[in-house]
Amino acid sequence: KNQVEQSPQSLIILEGKNCTLQCNYTVSPFSNLRWYKQDTGRGPVSLTIMTFSENTKSNGRYTATLDADTKQSSLHITASQLSDSASYICVVSADRGANNLFFGTGTRLTVIP
Amino acid sequence: NAGVMQNPRHLVRRRGQEARLRCSPMKGHSHVYWYRQLPEEGLKFMVYLQKENIIDESGMPKERFSAEFPKEGPSILRIQQVVRGDSAAYFCASSPGQTIAHYEQYFGPGTRLTVT
Repeated sequence: KNQVEQSPQSLIILEGKNCTLQCNYTVSPFSNLRWYKQDTGRGPVSLTIMTFSENTKSNGRYTATLDADTKQSSLHITASQLSDSASYICVVSADRGANNLFFGTGTRLTVIP
Repeated sequence: NAGVMQNPRHLVRRRGQEARLRCSPMKGHSHVYWYRQLPEEGLKFMVYLQKENIIDESGMPKERFSAEFPKEGPSILRIQQVVRGDSAAYFCASSPGQTIAHYEQYFGPGTRLTVT
């Protein structure tokens, strides 16, 4: 069964600190993995997209890693800011079928001053 | 280049009424996806459409829900005879090609449906 699981479910950190969010998936055959940021009351916005051959990708203070062998990904946020408070969603794309995106339930990050 | 637009942003309907949600994809995008998000839950796929065609509606309830993407105009998600369980945020996303080809999906701001 194709599934995407994220941990932790929620996280609170102090402004300026780093944090790492985890994503495990069982989607097969794998095509790519995306991380989205969803602010409260808004639609998701793409942060990174990685294919099988990529094991790390950065977008500013966001760095995503991918281990296709263990089917794990992480999103590392450096020097957190209050505006990083949001839900972070891991989405895995299967290399087959029209409906081929599988969404995790997200990690709710709260950055406090 | 305007992003994906959805309207209305908030919609309140009484049980038994019809809800119509509209989505205008980004310019040049011919692929539209509808998702539903219940409170504290992840996004759930409902339907995938190309212009004038439904490609995959496996995530859409068989009754009361329908979707279209006409040649001209926005994509419409219609919910007939709404019930309280339909209360959710409905997101539309568009892409220039099928996601399988690694095209990016761009999401709209969502429509929050409340059924009273």
